[in-house]
Formats: sequence, structure tokens, C-alpha cells
Amino acid sequence: QVQLVESGGGVVQPGRSLRLSCAASGFTFNTYGIYWVRQAPGKGLEWVAVISYDGHNQYYADSVKGRFTISRDNSKNTLYLQMSSLRSEDTAVYYCAKGSGSYLTPFDHWGRGALVTVSS
Amino acid sequence: EIVLTQSPDFQSVTPKEKVTITCRASQSIGSSLHWYQQKPDQSPKLLIKYASQSLSGVPSRFSGSGSGTDFTLTINGLEAEDAATYYCHQSSSLPITFGQGTRLEIK
Repeated sequence: QVQLVESGGGVVQPGRSLRLSCAASGFTFNTYGIYWVRQAPGKGLEWVAVISYDGHNQYYADSVKGRFTISRDNSKNTLYLQMSSLRSEDTAVYYCAKGSGSYLTPFDHWGRGALVTVSS
Repeated sequence: EIVLTQSPDFQSVTPKEKVTITCRASQSIGSSLHWYQQKPDQSPKLLIKYASQSLSGVPSRFSGSGSGTDFTLTINGLEAEDAATYYCHQSSSLPITFGQGTRLEIK
């Protein structure tokens, strides 16, 4: 069965960096686009970034562009989100989500999420 | 950016009722519209893809319709376990966007 397990969340001071990981299993990782979606406390869903199946293409929401970097290691079936210059408004649960195809598709599986709290 | 507007924001309903949630896109997105259910303290779950395609394991009381800019999620015969927040999502173009969510409370 498909599993996505996020890790690396925690409390970080404003301006600092943090890297999230998402370990995938149960499917052929290198054939699907993978996404990061976040949810601030008590708020709705916000798309953060997407990476193509081969890692060659990455796209970001304007709110994180230039500060966050999405990457993947297909040999390790793992997705990453490097977050820098963190702000209080980045506080959220960060989900990795599997696309149902290679690019711009529905998200057919989600991880349980990793909580990132940006606070001094 | 394509803006998705859901209505209503909140609805309190009784079991066995028929519930309709709408999602309106700010420009045409064809059928690239998907619906998710999120229960408290859980991650979202895909309910309907491409406006009206049902998914294995999703109860048949959930159905979707629409194309272009107007879409509907219908729950026929609401059950207590359907208490959740429902989101629409468009994959027509970047940036990917979600509706603001519709919270369903069961009376």
C-alpha cells in the first residue's frame, strides 16, 4: 500500500532554516509528480511546491519562491523541502502528497504531515 | 491565478439529508477539479477526481458534477461519519489552488 511519511518538523526561530523529508513506499516513486501542501493552524490548504517525476522541473507558490527548494532522490524514494528565511506565517502542518500522474493531477495519497512552528 | 470559491462556508445538517457543496472557478478549468474530505486531525482524502470520476473505496453516496467554472459535490443520504471539511482543488494550471473549504456539522 502507498505510504508517505514526513519527518523533520519542529520549532525554529524566524530567519532560520529547516529541511523536511518525505519517505515514500508502495509505488514506483520515479514515475509520479510529488507535492508539498501546507495548512496553517485552523486554516485551509495551500499548495507550496511540486517536482516532476524525474526531478527536472520544480514550481513554487509565490509565497515561498526564492526561500524554499523542493528536491527528490529517486534512488532513496525520498522527497525533500529545504526551507530557509523562515517566517512566522510559514507555521503550518506540511503534507507531502502523491500526484496520480506525472504532472498537474489530483493528489491520490497524502502523508500524515509534519508540524513546523516558526517562533522566537 | 485561478480562484476557487466554495459555498457555503459552513452547513449544519441532519443524517440522511442530501447535501450540495458548490465550487466556482474564476476562469474555465475544464474538468480539472477534484474534491477532498478532511476530518479533524487527519490528512485530506481524495473523494472525486476530474469533476465526476468516482474512486474505489469512496462510498457511492458521494458524487460530483460540473465543468468549466461551476462544480458540485453532492452527498446523498448524509451519515454521521461525513462530518468533515470539504475542499475543491484545481489542477488546470499553476499555481495550484484550493477552495477555502466547507465545514459540515452533523446535528
